Amino acid sequence: DQQVKQNSPSLSVQEGRISILNCDYTNSMFDYFLWYKKYPAEGPTFLISISSIKDKNEDGRFTVFLNKSAKHLSLHIVPSQPGDSAVYFCAASAGFGNEKLTFGTGTRLTIIP
Amino acid sequence: DTEVTQTPKHLVMGMTNKKSLKCEQHMGHRAMYWYKQKAKKPPELMFVYSYEKLSINESVPSRFSPECPNSSLLNLHLHALQPEDSALYLCASSQLGLAVGELFFGEGSRLTVL
Repeated sequence: DQQVKQNSPSLSVQEGRISILNCDYTNSMFDYFLWYKKYPAEGPTFLISISSIKDKNEDGRFTVFLNKSAKHLSLHIVPSQPGDSAVYFCAASAGFGNEKLTFGTGTRLTIIP
Repeated sequence: DTEVTQTPKHLVMGMTNKKSLKCEQHMGHRAMYWYKQKAKKPPELMFVYSYEKLSINESVPSRFSPECPNSSLLNLHLHALQPEDSALYLCASSQLGLAVGELFFGEGSRLTVL
């Protein structure tokens, strides 16, 4: 039972355009969400997070949007750069401070120069 | 120093071998994690240590035995593994009491069981 789903295994975007990565979850107890980025042969790197009391969090080129009623979050990258090419994982936890993270299946983003 | 260091990077072992994976961090983090990742799958939580005590065991088979000798070190002892245990094993650490989800991952140890 996959509680965090990323339905697009891959996405290609032209350099300079907006990349939108989507994530859906089923567990209504989840209240803290994160995005991780993973390059080949490296461990995942934390990118940005959002708690359920917010619907948007922005950090430079990265913005995460949360729609609690739809149990959906998205990561926007604008403008997209070649260095953004990586696998992006959505993750969720239930309860602030809960040590257990549930990861999504990942989306491979390719930025086309 | 914002690194989590894992050794070895690659390990090949037979089903009767005993080996260990090691993880080290010097960020003062008091939570350390083992995750397992199979190809094209998300990382799956195995164990969590908080303040050097095992706080989460996700029903992992006993052929995997974690150990946290001190706040900077985390080991995963392997014994009598099966070929299906071949995977990338990721260690991570985080602060406690804050946004726990901001894990710092190592590069992983790629394990092949023959």
